[in-house]
Amino acid sequence: GNSVTQMEGPVTLSEEAFLTINCTYTATGYPSLFWYVQYPGEGLQLLLKATKADDKGSNKGFEATYRKETTSFHLEKGSVQVSDSAVYFCALASGAGSYQLTFGKGTKLSVIP
Amino acid sequence: GAGVSQTPSNKVTEKGKYVELRCDPISGHTALYWYRQSLGQGPEFLIYFQGTGAADDSGLPNDRFFAVRPEGSVSTLKIQRTERGDSAVYLCASSSNLGTEAFFGQGTRLTVV
Repeated sequence: GNSVTQMEGPVTLSEEAFLTINCTYTATGYPSLFWYVQYPGEGLQLLLKATKADDKGSNKGFEATYRKETTSFHLEKGSVQVSDSAVYFCALASGAGSYQLTFGKGTKLSVIP
Repeated sequence: GAGVSQTPSNKVTEKGKYVELRCDPISGHTALYWYRQSLGQGPEFLIYFQGTGAADDSGLPNDRFFAVRPEGSVSTLKIQRTERGDSAVYLCASSSNLGTEAFFGQGTRLTVV
């Protein structure tokens, strides 16, 4: 079956540090890949996505590249801000219609001034 | 409405009781999803509606769980004979159509004591 493995948290960084959150997946076929973010007190929000190999999703300074050869979709940001403190979830969707998301366990990021 | 609304935000119930959790999707969204997020885990798919019908209920853990969407808008997740293991955050999401971005509500935190 489908599964997503992402790096364990929590992760604590100083403002302006470089961020990487690793994500690898197992799936049949050619899944779409996503990063969702959950800010404190808010619902899950789509941060970025990629639908095929070598695609790069980007949003709000975050990037992730769909690597089929390593089955990975690592999230990166060059300079984090305090406002990036949140829980980040890697997810995939595969199968007919790609409606059913399989999530990783989430990585809590805290950015300190 | 402006976003997906879930009520109540918190629910505490005694073991063995019946509970209903409500989801009000974004107006006009035909697709609706329920997920369950246990502590320290990512969300897990429960059920998907397209319009009024449950197109995929393969994620419902057992027959104590049931969901309806009688008019193709509001949905209710129903749990009979609740057990302590049902304690989790229940998330609802909606999308304008199959395969498009899903927007999540803030969830209902269910605690079974």
